[in-house]
Order: sequence, then structure tokens, then C-alpha cells
Amino acid sequence: GAVVSQHPSWVICKSGTSVKIECRSLDFQATTMFWYRQFPKQSLMLMATSNEGSKATYEQGVEKDKFLINHASLTLSTLTVTSAHPEDSSFYICSARDSKRRRLEQFFGPGTRLTVL
Amino acid sequence: DQQVKQNSPSLSVQEGRISILNCDYTNSMFDYFLWYKKYPAEGPTFLISISSIKDKNEDGRFTVFLNKSAKHLSLHIVPSQPGDSAVYFCAASARQKVTFGTGTKLQVIP
Repeated sequence: GAVVSQHPSWVICKSGTSVKIECRSLDFQATTMFWYRQFPKQSLMLMATSNEGSKATYEQGVEKDKFLINHASLTLSTLTVTSAHPEDSSFYICSARDSKRRRLEQFFGPGTRLTVL
Repeated sequence: DQQVKQNSPSLSVQEGRISILNCDYTNSMFDYFLWYKKYPAEGPTFLISISSIKDKNEDGRFTVFLNKSAKHLSLHIVPSQPGDSAVYFCAASARQKVTFGTGTKLQVIP
């Protein structure tokens, strides 16, 4: 149980285009989902916290107009990278928290590798 | 400001021996600590956690120790197995927000 999927697993796009990444909790309901970004040899950087039915909470330094987050249902959150640029190339990982499970335990998706040309 | 630090970027251990991964933190408000394991191109998977009211938690081959006065926690893996080779992240939480360390790459040599 507690499986989180991400789609797509990798994407290559041209500079200036927008890319949508989906995060789904497959066998549990997630009122809270998180979006992280990981640069090579660096830690996971929390970008935003997504709560079902409300606006996402963005971390300092993360542009909310560039990284649009929608958490429309208890099993789906989406991250849209708008007007992507090469510096947005990174590994994006989502996680979901099941309130019925152990406190603060997050279940991570497999990640999405974004390459912007 | 890196509130959770893993000062050893890598560690090599012989199969069967003990692996000790260390983590230091600066925020005294952290009240819950977690360890995650991550393989390349995959998301992290939860390993073990510990509340700040405890100083030790054990789960099979994995034991986490917490020294609050030193703001230090460690993960012990005994015995180490080649399949344990991965990057290990420690994480700390305050007020529901989780902060991750930079990771330690563990290599278990057969």
C-alpha cells in the first residue's frame, strides 16, 4: 500500500513551453501533497505544500506564477512549469501524506526528470 | 542556511559490518526525525523515524539514535548488505514541515 505515482517519468521540452507533471496517490487519500526539486548532488528542496481544495503554500524563493500547483482531488496534484527555461531543468519529486498512517511519514513518487532545451 | 546537515557525502562499508550514518541539526524546534533511502532516479522511501521524546528506535537491521543535547542523530545498519547501497537522507520536522539533509551515499562492498 501507500503508492504514489508520477507522470511523466521524464520529459524534454523547448524553452518557453509549459510542462505539466501529475502526482497521484494510488491506494490512499492524500489531503496534503508536497512538491520537491532536487539538483545533482544536493538535497531535496521543498517547493510547495499542496492541500486539497485550497491554494498551495509556496516556500520562500519559489515563484508561484511559474510553478502552478493544483490539488483538485484527494488523489491528484499537478505541477505546471510555465514558460520553462533551461535553468528549470531538474528532478521533480512529489510526496503525499496519508493522515491515517504514521505521523509525518511521506510517501514519495518516483520523480520526473525535466530537461528544457 | 542548512538546518539539517549530513557532513559525510559518502561512506563505504564491507558487507556484514556496521554502517553508521550521521546527521546534525540546528533547529531546536525539530520534534520528529526521519531517515529515507533513495536509489538513483527514484523517489525516497521511508526507513525509520524517531520522536524527540525518545533516544532510540529499532526496526530490524536499522536503529536510529537521537542525542538531543548534541542535536545529533545517527542511523545504524547492522549487518550491512549490498542492497543497502543507496543515498540516505535524514529529515527533521517542526510544525508539520519536513526539512531534508543533503544525503550520504552508502556503498556496501561485497
